[in-house]
Amino acid sequence: RKEVEQDPGPFNVPEGATVAFNCTYSNSASQSFFWYRQDCRKEPKLLMSVYSSGNEDGRFTAQLNRASQYISLLIRDSKLSDSATYLCDTGGGATNKLIFGTGTLLAVQP
Amino acid sequence: NAGVTQTPKFQVLKTGQSMTLQCAQDMNHEYMSWYRQDPGMGLRLIHYSVGAGITDQGEVPNGYNVSRSTTEDFPLRLLSAAPSQTSVYFCASSLHRDQPQHFGDGTRLSIL
Repeated sequence: RKEVEQDPGPFNVPEGATVAFNCTYSNSASQSFFWYRQDCRKEPKLLMSVYSSGNEDGRFTAQLNRASQYISLLIRDSKLSDSATYLCDTGGGATNKLIFGTGTLLAVQP
Repeated sequence: NAGVTQTPKFQVLKTGQSMTLQCAQDMNHEYMSWYRQDPGMGLRLIHYSVGAGITDQGEVPNGYNVSRSTTEDFPLRLLSAAPSQTSVYFCASSLHRDQPQHFGDGTRLSIL
């Protein structure tokens, strides 16, 4: 099993839709969790940190489920500009390796 | 504040050549890392460093060397380039391993 797994998609959704992605991780000692956004041929950029209590920023909500070892990202009222690849990153704890998932491609359709 | 700077942005090599990809950060970050990104493969960790003088292997270290003689610089060296190393390479840094990473613009490397 890969250390971090994501559904590669693509997720094709209409404008205004709500869409959710999950990211599962195998290292139960992981302490830090982040969602990044990557536009085509660009560098990844931090979207949100994921805390145990959840984290909301406008239309974006990130949550952590330690028992089932996954993090989630919810996007409400999708915009065309949300089209990108969303990457999750887990690490810390007992390991210094920061491992990414393969990314989930979101395509918001007009 | 430049953040993470990678050079060169583009490079074409012949099989068997060696070269060094440069990475520098001006944020006094402890943690630095190198990733490669291939279509459909996501970001794969090559090497990482938790501080000056300390480096370790990531998921795909074969064919690459790194060094961390200063906090600011973390060069990645390709020992003998192979076509399988054609990829986009990203350098990243963070204040600590538990903090979010900042990425450079990437180096697009083609090996013929």
